[in-house]
Amino acid sequence: AQKITQTQPGMFVQEKEAVTLDCTYDTSDPSYGLFWYKQPSSGEMIFLIYQGSYDQQNATEGRYSLNFQKARKSANLVISASQLGDSAMYFCAMRGVNTNAGKSTFGDGTTLTVKP
Amino acid sequence: NAGVTQTPKFQVLKTGQSMTLQCAQDMNHNSMYWYRQDPGMGLRLIYYSASEGTTDKGEVPNGYNVSRLNKREFSLRLESAAPSQTSVYFCASSGGTSQSYNEQFFGPGTRLTVL
Repeated sequence: AQKITQTQPGMFVQEKEAVTLDCTYDTSDPSYGLFWYKQPSSGEMIFLIYQGSYDQQNATEGRYSLNFQKARKSANLVISASQLGDSAMYFCAMRGVNTNAGKSTFGDGTTLTVKP
Repeated sequence: NAGVTQTPKFQVLKTGQSMTLQCAQDMNHNSMYWYRQDPGMGLRLIYYSASEGTTDKGEVPNGYNVSRLNKREFSLRLESAAPSQTSVYFCASSGGTSQSYNEQFFGPGTRLTVL
């Protein structure tokens, strides 16, 4: 079985500062992918960043980076230089291979509010 | 390129009524998914289709059926709607196969209310 845990229901950050959103996971698959999505108040799901379990380097996409610590089973999202438009719900998700092939599991999300 | 489209955008049903949610993608993706999102919660997988002609249950399949009509289309049917099925339903697709890690592209969602 797969499980994603996001322990921060809500986070606040000052504009232009960096913020880390926590995500821990559990899976029986030896090979898996980890994803972060953003959901603004308008409701759409926007893909942000992906990390493969065998990737040697942490993923980065513009202002987003993924702090992947495999031994700790954590995949935290770091947003640098926060902007007002970053205010949204953020979801961590994973998808495995083998026993969980194709199945995606999402966490309950973290609501990020960026203060001006 | 429309991406992933869903119809309808909104729907109100009475308990016991049936309906089908339609989803189509124009990205030539192999895999398609149906999720539900309850207020304040994450997405839960209802069913998915790793490739044309195959479907598998996700985390919360009870009360739903699906059809992968062709590579483009994946429909979700509620045979006898219940108030517990009030939710926002998202369809998604991803390229490659179930063993690849391509990100999922989501439709705009269908807001369903069952009275």
